[in-house]
Amino acid sequence: DAKTTQPPSMDCAEGRAANLPCNHSTISGNEYVYWYRQIHSQGPQYIIHGLKNNETNEMASLIITEDRKSSTLILPHATLRDTAVYYCIVRVVGTGGFKTIFGAGTRLFVKA
Amino acid sequence: GAVVSQHPSRVICKSGTSVKIECRSLDFQATTMFWYRQFPKQSLMLMATSNEGSKATYEQGVEKDKFLINHASLTLSTLTVTSAHPEDSSFYICSAAQGASETQYFGPGTRLLVL
Repeated sequence: DAKTTQPPSMDCAEGRAANLPCNHSTISGNEYVYWYRQIHSQGPQYIIHGLKNNETNEMASLIITEDRKSSTLILPHATLRDTAVYYCIVRVVGTGGFKTIFGAGTRLFVKA
Repeated sequence: GAVVSQHPSRVICKSGTSVKIECRSLDFQATTMFWYRQFPKQSLMLMATSNEGSKATYEQGVEKDKFLINHASLTLSTLTVTSAHPEDSSFYICSAAQGASETQYFGPGTRLLVL
């Protein structure tokens, strides 16, 4: 089972910041939070990941709360091309090592 | 960097035949590869994890004799759907990582249609 919960859908106006929340209250101390997105009929695209500190790259920023029980992915200036399903993932340890279990994700609609 | 390719991108086959899907890491060595399946309007479901040179670890409910996985090199893993049936029609996606705890990068997916 996925270890995260996300809202099923969100809307955002083009050019505005999109803030996508994620709860991961059972996260362990050494587990990273990963964000991917999937545009229709394509494979998931890696966005960003973090452990404790906030992270930023050319695509997005990741804000992780101090207790690490939740995080927010921020797309600073959303465009129509950012319309996708966004997955927040905490990897779990299985028999073969770490594995990435996908939840339902958040479907982000960026509107003109 | 971190490009993963899949071949073919789409395939149509007759019921009862076998289909092989290739997953390649183009610019890095992938000690671990993962195979997922995605049905329409659903999330990705992990099928199996494979480490180079070892047998794959299958998720509960996934038939290992039906979905044969080979990870013979650090840049190639294959998934063979044996004796395919219409219910095997799905979007198959692989991902690769340099190590089991490293970031996974996903391929573009292979759409399988079994008639």
